Amino acid sequence: EVQLVESGGGLVQPGRSLRLSCTASGFTFGDYAMNWIRQAPGKGLRWVGFIRSKAYGGTIEYAASVKGRFTISRDDSKSIAYLQMNSLKTEDTAVYYCTRWDSPYRFDYWGQGTLVTVSS
Amino acid sequence: QSALTQPPSASGSPGQSVTISCTGTSSDVGGYNYVSWYQQHPGKAPKLMIYEVSKRPSGVPDRFSGSKSGNTASLTVSGLQAEDEADYYCTSYAGSNNLGVFGGGTKLTVL
Repeated sequence: EVQLVESGGGLVQPGRSLRLSCTASGFTFGDYAMNWIRQAPGKGLRWVGFIRSKAYGGTIEYAASVKGRFTISRDDSKSIAYLQMNSLKTEDTAVYYCTRWDSPYRFDYWGQGTLVTVSS
Repeated sequence: QSALTQPPSASGSPGQSVTISCTGTSSDVGGYNYVSWYQQHPGKAPKLMIYEVSKRPSGVPDRFSGSKSGNTASLTVSGLQAEDEADYYCTSYAGSNNLGVFGGGTKLTVL
């Protein structure tokens, strides 16, 4: 059974950092691109970014709103994707979801989400 | 990319059919047959309902169907049931070096 479990969310002050993890099981993690998608309270879904599989160069794309502040990485040996969030702003407050990207374009499995609250 | 345009709300009575639209541009919806739809119940993670415009993952009832014409994709829910009440989001591929774009979401109410 495919499972994605996010962790690392919590309350953090503006300007500080937080690292989220997405631990995967039930599939060959290294074969898939992984996404981070967020949802602010009462709002819609928004891309944060994604990381391709090593077979496609492991390259990464970011949303303009987080580029330069957030870093996505992956450890295929541990089946974990990471989202390092620096210089956090109040507008980064959201539930952050990790999803698997199955070719050519479907997010077929989602984690339960982890809430990040940026507030002083 | 700009967000895809969805109506904020839609409604129907049990047993009826409802169609939700998702309008983009020739750079996303109109340019690729890679539109997918997600259902989200309150407090839950989204669930894939339709991919590649009209394909259903296993386990999704055939009451859910998708289509596309030009720059507009549509999700139709036939034979509405109470459990279909949820938010629905569309998203489209927008090129190999671009993030996709999401619609703003449509709240479907079963009257």
